[in-house]
Amino acid sequence: GAVVSQHPSWVICKSGTSVKIECRSLDFQATTMFWYRQFPKQSLMLMATSNEGSKATYEQGVEKDKFLINHASLTLSTLTVTSAHPEDSSFYICSARDHRKGDGQPQHFGDGTRLSIL
Amino acid sequence: GQNIDQPTEMTATEGAIVQINCTYQTSGFNGLFWYQQHAGEAPTFLSYNVLDGLEEKGRFSSFLSRSKGYSYLLLKELQMKDSASYLCAVLDSNYQLIWGAGTKLIIKP
Repeated sequence: GAVVSQHPSWVICKSGTSVKIECRSLDFQATTMFWYRQFPKQSLMLMATSNEGSKATYEQGVEKDKFLINHASLTLSTLTVTSAHPEDSSFYICSARDHRKGDGQPQHFGDGTRLSIL
Repeated sequence: GQNIDQPTEMTATEGAIVQINCTYQTSGFNGLFWYQQHAGEAPTFLSYNVLDGLEEKGRFSSFLSRSKGYSYLLLKELQMKDSASYLCAVLDSNYQLIWGAGTKLIIKP
């Protein structure tokens, strides 16, 4: 069964709207979660690393004021795309790793959120 | 810099065997992962290698040679549902995952 739940799976909204995406680890505590973006026919691009109780670490070129990340608990991280525009339309995927099992564990992915900005 | 190379696309026939190669140059090594990603879906975990050698799991096997910075994913008895992208990813010295661009595998009847 799924170990990481991501919601919503599909969002269509008008330009200028802010959209919040939730990522939950279902049966383990995730001190670290990862947010990726994937454009059609392209590879996964890491946007940021979400750290529970502290600020997220953003990859170069990712605007932290536009992509707000909150990791308020050990099982929940949220990504808010603020004032979304058509160029933000993409497939957003979160992932988490169960550190209790050691560092060499796979990242488990949520099902992804397909964001379409009109 | 850190780099992972894998072929962009491969084509194989249903029932056959295909090998997808991955070479890497990273700052440190703490394991290599293979993921499968169907179009429009999130990646799913296939295998993890941290020691040299072959790991077999059903129709899928993964091989690692750390001295050569090389891995391959071997898929046997190919089925149409195996058509997907296969992603190679390396855990570096900081336990950050470095992703390859993925290999799109096309299975023909």
